[in-house]
Amino acid sequence: DAKTTQPTSMDCAEGRAANLPCNHSTISGNEYVYWYRQIHSQGPQYIIHGLKNNETNEMASLIITEDRKSSTLILPHATLRDTAVYYCIVRGYYNAGNNRKLIWGLGTSLAVNP
Amino acid sequence: DAGVTQSPTHLIKTRGQQVTLRCSPKSGHDTVSWYQQALGQGPQFIFQYYEEEERQRGNFPDRFSGHQFPNYSSELNVNALLLGDSALYLCASRPEWSPSTDTQYFGPGTRLTVL
Repeated sequence: DAKTTQPTSMDCAEGRAANLPCNHSTISGNEYVYWYRQIHSQGPQYIIHGLKNNETNEMASLIITEDRKSSTLILPHATLRDTAVYYCIVRGYYNAGNNRKLIWGLGTSLAVNP
Repeated sequence: DAGVTQSPTHLIKTRGQQVTLRCSPKSGHDTVSWYQQALGQGPQFIFQYYEEEERQRGNFPDRFSGHQFPNYSSELNVNALLLGDSALYLCASRPEWSPSTDTQYFGPGTRLTVL
């Protein structure tokens, strides 16, 4: 699985958009970008994933650059409850060989301030 | 619809003891993975179970073993506990029919402290 690089920490004002970057310069063509978040002392929560195109769901938007070497997770109107560690994970097809694990980095600790 | 549940929530053991952690997957999910998360680190993959068999294993010693039952629930067993086994143990489930992408649902975790 490709390695990802994320900033250690970020701050965001409540009500503003939070833009969390992720670099994955060694991503290969069949690898997806996944985002999870983990609120303090809870289990991780799936947010969104994408392959090439930008994606949006009720939680967030995912913008993937055309060369797929980086992406940005956007929380459009951050609230205090969005304070969490956000993990960007790149992985290939789940059922391709021994590829059934998620490899986690240290993530970005996002603090949403009032 | 209950999500992934884990028990117990917290556990305190002493070195050398054995521990069993339990996980019930989300309804409709038949694949269970276990992760260990040390303080300040991302989760580390321990192993995955499907059809009652261990299908993939991470870089963990044989002291870590597991089991999956016919109702898809799972147990994680750790023998001869070490201080370094203190961590949050996470269970995640997914439906096997989702062939290529991998959206996993996590439980709240079991906080294990080894003294």
